[in-house]
Order: sequence, then C-alpha cells, then structure tokens
Amino acid sequence: DAMVIQNPRYQVTQFGKPVTLSCSQTLNHNVMYWYQQKSSQAPKLLFHYYDKDFNNEADTPDNFQSRRPNTSFCFLDIRSPGLGDAAMYLCATSTGQGRNSRNFGPGTRLTVT
Amino acid sequence: GESVGLHLPTLSVQEGDNSIINCAYSNSASDYFIWYKQESGKGPQFIIDIRSNMDKRQGQRVTVLLNKTVKHLSLQIAATQPGDSAVYFCAEDPSYGKLTFGQGTILTVHP
Repeated sequence: DAMVIQNPRYQVTQFGKPVTLSCSQTLNHNVMYWYQQKSSQAPKLLFHYYDKDFNNEADTPDNFQSRRPNTSFCFLDIRSPGLGDAAMYLCATSTGQGRNSRNFGPGTRLTVT
Repeated sequence: GESVGLHLPTLSVQEGDNSIINCAYSNSASDYFIWYKQESGKGPQFIIDIRSNMDKRQGQRVTVLLNKTVKHLSLQIAATQPGDSAVYFCAEDPSYGKLTFGQGTILTVHP
C-alpha cells in the first residue's frame, strides 16, 4: 500500500545533541510537510517542500532544518535540541494539485533528556 | 494560526449514540475544510472534507456541515463506536499549502 513512513517511531536525544528524523513516501507526491505537535495541541506546520522548493514558516526556529534529497525522502534536522523541542513530529504529503488533504505518517515521538 | 490549549474540549457518549463535534474557524477566506481523527500515538487520519460551495457532505457514518455565515463546521458521527474514540481536529485552508488546524476535541465512547 502507498504510504508515508517515519523512522524511528521513538527517538531519544540529549540536550544539545543534533538529531535527524526521517520520512519516506511511496505516494510519489510533490509536496512533503513537517509538523510539530506538542501534547494536547494541534499540529503546527514547520516547513514544507514543493518538489525541491523549500518553504519555511515565519515562526519556525532556525534550530530546525530540512532536507529533501529526492521525491521519496525528507529529513528533519534539529541542530541543538532543547527540552522544549520534545514533541511528536509528523511528516505529511500531498499531491500539490488542486485542493487535497494531507496524508500523514505515524509520527516520531522525540524525547530530549 | 496555531491553536494553543492544554485542556481540549471533551465529548463523552455511549456506544450507539450519535456524536456531534463542533469547530469554529477563523478565516472567512477559507474555502476548503477537513476533519481529521487522531488516535493516541498515531498521525492524523483523514475523515472527510468539504468545499465552501457546499453546506453538507456525507460519508460512511459521518456527515460534515458547514455554515459560512457564522464560520462554523461540525462533524456528525452516527452510531458511535468505541473505535471512534480519538481526538478530532478540524482544519481550514484559505490558500494552497496553508492548512491550519483547530483546537481539537477529545471524543470518548463508552461501551
């Protein structure tokens, strides 16, 4: 089945230690998104790629970076995680054509110790 | 914009009852709306969507109602089942790529 895959599902990192979260998709969608979701809150968009074009949200901290080496993969890099970055990180895709919903992956739960 | 809240609205129903989850959206320019279901530890799952040229859309056991006059969206779930227990988010889209999520409602279905 076509899907959005996130690895790992659970990630523990130390305060200040860089960490990378991975997302892959078999849907061949043009757009890939990264959302941050803290406990009891709605997902918050960090940035997205339309093909190779990177679109950063204005309030996304510089500590968060992203890479999309090809259509299938997208990475979220947190350069110096703080305790406040502990959250669920959701990857999503969409076709980018017309109005369509996001296809979400299962998420990666990040813990910062 | 982002919704912030440590205390999500909750709705508790008995199995077999109908559930109605409400959402107020903020942007009068939004013309596409989506309801998502999110189970604990999982990503949001698409339930149903509606465009602003409609005021009602039905799916399997679910109905979405849109009232543009008062900027209100609702999700009706018929014959609610324990498997429907989750957090439900509405989302509005005023333009391509700017999907904004509402606060979320916790639905608990008691057997």
